[in-house]
Amino acid sequence: EPEVTQTPSHQVTQMGQEVILRCVPISNHLYFYWYRQILGQKVEFLVSFYNNEISEKSEIFDDQFSVERPDGSNFTLKIRSTKLEDSAMYFCASSEGINTEAFFGQGTRLTVV
Amino acid sequence: AQSVTQLGSHVSVSEGALVLLRCNYSSSVPPYLFWYVQYPNQGLQLLLKYTSAATLVKGINGFEAEFKKSETSFHLTKPSAHMSDAAEYFCAVSVSSASKIIFGSGTRLSIRP
Repeated sequence: EPEVTQTPSHQVTQMGQEVILRCVPISNHLYFYWYRQILGQKVEFLVSFYNNEISEKSEIFDDQFSVERPDGSNFTLKIRSTKLEDSAMYFCASSEGINTEAFFGQGTRLTVV
Repeated sequence: AQSVTQLGSHVSVSEGALVLLRCNYSSSVPPYLFWYVQYPNQGLQLLLKYTSAATLVKGINGFEAEFKKSETSFHLTKPSAHMSDAAEYFCAVSVSSASKIIFGSGTRLSIRP
């Protein structure tokens, strides 16, 4: 069964460092998303991506964040200068279209020290 | 803007008892509604979705939900709880004009032996 895969499963980084979280969405999906979940809290929308550009973004997704689809399969989230409060589980998701269900990866746990 | 409210951050039921997890939505246009489940240290898995075809929606693992427009509700039920149902459950909403799914704050379901 097709699935969304994320790497790495766990990333530890020092405050101020850049991190890149990687995702391989399901191959025939057109919409890609990043969400985050701070420990014990709700799942928060960060950004959606369609047709090689950002479709929507939340207020969390500030200038420190960027997304890219560098090739036909990968979808990345970059945090330029990490802060302690960026520590969270980051989920990538993809969907066939608007209003269809999103399929989620297993997440990358980012720990900023 | 669309949103969902989940009533009760923690619900505890006995094994074999009815499970009822409450979700109310807010949307000025017809919504698409979802229930996702998150097992410990895992990603989000779709339980079921409402896309206006039928008001009673059946999902995986014996769960179902009923869309009630008059009550703006989409409560999740299961007739008989099993120990393996212990998890975090998230109600979510999207609308046709938005390319994102918005999650509620989640309800942690515990099952007593």
